[in-house]
Amino acid sequence: ELKVEQNPLFLSMQEGKNYTIYCNYSTTSDRLYWYRQDPGKSLESLFVLLSNGAVKQEGRLMASLDTKARLSTLHITAAVHDLSATYFCAVDNFNKFYFGSGTKLNVKP
Amino acid sequence: DGGITQSPKYLFRKEGQNVTLSCEQNLNHDAMYWYRQDPGQGLRLIYYSQIVNDFQKGDIAEGYSVSREKKESFPLTVTSAQKNPTAFYLCAGSRGEGYGYTFGSGTRLTVV
Repeated sequence: ELKVEQNPLFLSMQEGKNYTIYCNYSTTSDRLYWYRQDPGKSLESLFVLLSNGAVKQEGRLMASLDTKARLSTLHITAAVHDLSATYFCAVDNFNKFYFGSGTKLNVKP
Repeated sequence: DGGITQSPKYLFRKEGQNVTLSCEQNLNHDAMYWYRQDPGQGLRLIYYSQIVNDFQKGDIAEGYSVSREKKESFPLTVTSAQKNPTAFYLCAGSRGEGYGYTFGSGTRLTVV
């Protein structure tokens, strides 16, 4: 059974601080995606990582993929309150996505 | 604007009743998916369809049924056999490998 594990599951941080969310997965996939979900809303695509060593950045968020370690990271730089949301990673397994449990991020002013 | 449209946004089901959730897309995506999300959890795959008139079970298909008679439409029926249907249901489409999913806005189903 394919497993996707995120940690931490909950993250409370002060504005201006840096932190990293980790996503480990159990299959040999080289396609991984990050999504953001606001309370009661659907999922919004953040990053598409399609090869080993891929790195994508958008604003204060940067995602990377290490397919050999089966690990993706989402790094938050100088967090702001607007980044408060739940973040999911998803692994593409023959065009079916398997999601982690999500990391609920709360950025405190 | 192109997108994935789910309706209704909220749905209430009585015990023993079947209900159908609508998912329509105008993105010309071949592949469509249904996921279930329980509070505080990730998404689990119910059914998916890679092409018209064909669909496959996901990890939690029991108590659900789907059809794919048109490329644009992928409705999900929650049957009375699904004993715990209260959840947030998300429909998604994809134009192929490496493109990621586009999600609809979701349907929140509650058993009353």
